[in-house]
Amino acid sequence: DTGVSQNPRHKITKRGQNVTFRCDPISEHNRLYWYRQTLGQGPEFLTYFQNEAQLEKSRLLSDRFSAERPKGSFSTLEIQRTEQGDSAMYLCASSPLDGDANYGYTFGSGTRLTVV
Amino acid sequence: GNSVTQMEGPVTLSEEAFLTINCTYTATGYPSLFWYVQYPGEGLQLLLKATKADDKGSNKGFEATYRKETTSFHLEKGSVQVSDSAVYFCALDRNNAGNMLTFGGGTRLMVKP
Repeated sequence: DTGVSQNPRHKITKRGQNVTFRCDPISEHNRLYWYRQTLGQGPEFLTYFQNEAQLEKSRLLSDRFSAERPKGSFSTLEIQRTEQGDSAMYLCASSPLDGDANYGYTFGSGTRLTVV
Repeated sequence: GNSVTQMEGPVTLSEEAFLTINCTYTATGYPSLFWYVQYPGEGLQLLLKATKADDKGSNKGFEATYRKETTSFHLEKGSVQVSDSAVYFCALDRNNAGNMLTFGGGTRLMVKP
C-alpha cells in the first residue's frame, strides 16, 4: 500500500454536468476525509467518515455534493449540476482510528476539477 | 470560530538564509497546531506538530513553538536549501480529535541557489 490514491488526477467538465471522484485510502485507516482547495488558498474541510459512517459535513457541502463510503474502504465524492465555482482541487486524506490520528493523517495528491 | 492566518508569499530566499514564516491562530480552547508542506505535484505532508503551550515541534531542521500568549506558531529554519522550495500551510485541530483541520492560506517559499 503506497498511500492515498485519488482518481482521476484531472477532470474538465461542462457546467451543469455531474462528476464523481474516487479516493482509495491507506487500507488499515478507518477514517477518511474530503477537503477542497481553491487556488492560492488552504484546504477547507468538507466531510469525514469513520468506517462507512459519515460523521460530519461542512456547510460548504451543499445539497449538490454527496459523499459515500459504502464498505468502509474507498470513497466517492459526487458533484451534481456543476458550477464554475466548483472548480478546485479536491483532496482526500485518511488516518487510523486508534492512537495519534494527527500523525497518521495522510493526504492524496488530489483531483483537480475545472468547470468550463 | 477557528481561523489561521499566515504571512502572504511568495517568500524568496537565497540558499542558507534564515527562514521565518509567521502563523497566528484564533480558536476556542487549546487546539493542536501543525505545519504541513506541499511540494510541487505532491500531496500535503505533515512537517511538524505541537499539542500544548510551549511545546516545540521539529523536523528536517524546521522548528515551531506553540505560543499561547501570542496565539502564534511561527515556522523557522536556520539554513534553507533549494529542496525546501514548496508551499507551507499552518493548521489547527479544533478539538484535538484529528477529525477536522483548519488551514491557513499557505505561504510559497522559493529558495534560489
